[in-house]
Amino acid sequence: EDQVTQSPEALRLQEGESSSLNCSYTVSGLRGLFWYRQDPGKGPEFLFTLYSAGEEKEKERLKATLTKKESFLHITAPKPEDSATYLCAVQGRSGGSNYKLTFGKGTLLTVNP
Amino acid sequence: DTAVSQTPKYLVTQMGNDKSIKCEQNLGHDTMYWYKQDSKKFLKIMFSYNNKELIINETVPNRFSPKSPDKAHLNLHINSLELGDSAVYFCASSQDSSGGGNTIYFGEGSWLTVV
Repeated sequence: EDQVTQSPEALRLQEGESSSLNCSYTVSGLRGLFWYRQDPGKGPEFLFTLYSAGEEKEKERLKATLTKKESFLHITAPKPEDSATYLCAVQGRSGGSNYKLTFGKGTLLTVNP
Repeated sequence: DTAVSQTPKYLVTQMGNDKSIKCEQNLGHDTMYWYKQDSKKFLKIMFSYNNKELIINETVPNRFSPKSPDKAHLNLHINSLELGDSAVYFCASSQDSSGGGNTIYFGEGSWLTVV
């Protein structure tokens, strides 16, 4: 069974203080690793998909990287509007997992001005 | 235009009642899902339909019955509601998932409270 573990559970940063969120995973053949952002009272908003080890993607202050065992979401010079819960999910190749994402419990990021 | 829309957004009901949540996507996707987010914010899949055919049923109690009248709609009906059913239910959709990983897009959620 696919598993995703995110750390830390919560992270508090000062504005401009760069840091990274971790997502460790086990999956039977990775089809894709996904990062989502979730604001309070909202649905998860898609950020990135990574498909293979070594791949990197960037969007504004966010950069996602992938190895065979984990993914990092690097946040450079964060702003208060980056405060949200960041969710990591994997999509595997075995059985019916083609059609589902297995999520981690998320990292609650708070950026103070 | 909202890509994945679900109604109602908030629902408060008594134990034992039957309720439905409706979902529609205008993305032209082939696959739709229901996910449940519990009080600890853990998001877990319940059902998946591909072109109106049930693909995934993750050991959900049979009080929960999804219905897909066409590939743009996936409704969730819940019978005999229990306190433990209180959660946020998210509808989602994706393009046909054959091949590489496909992106799943979520609706805004339906907050169900059973009292």
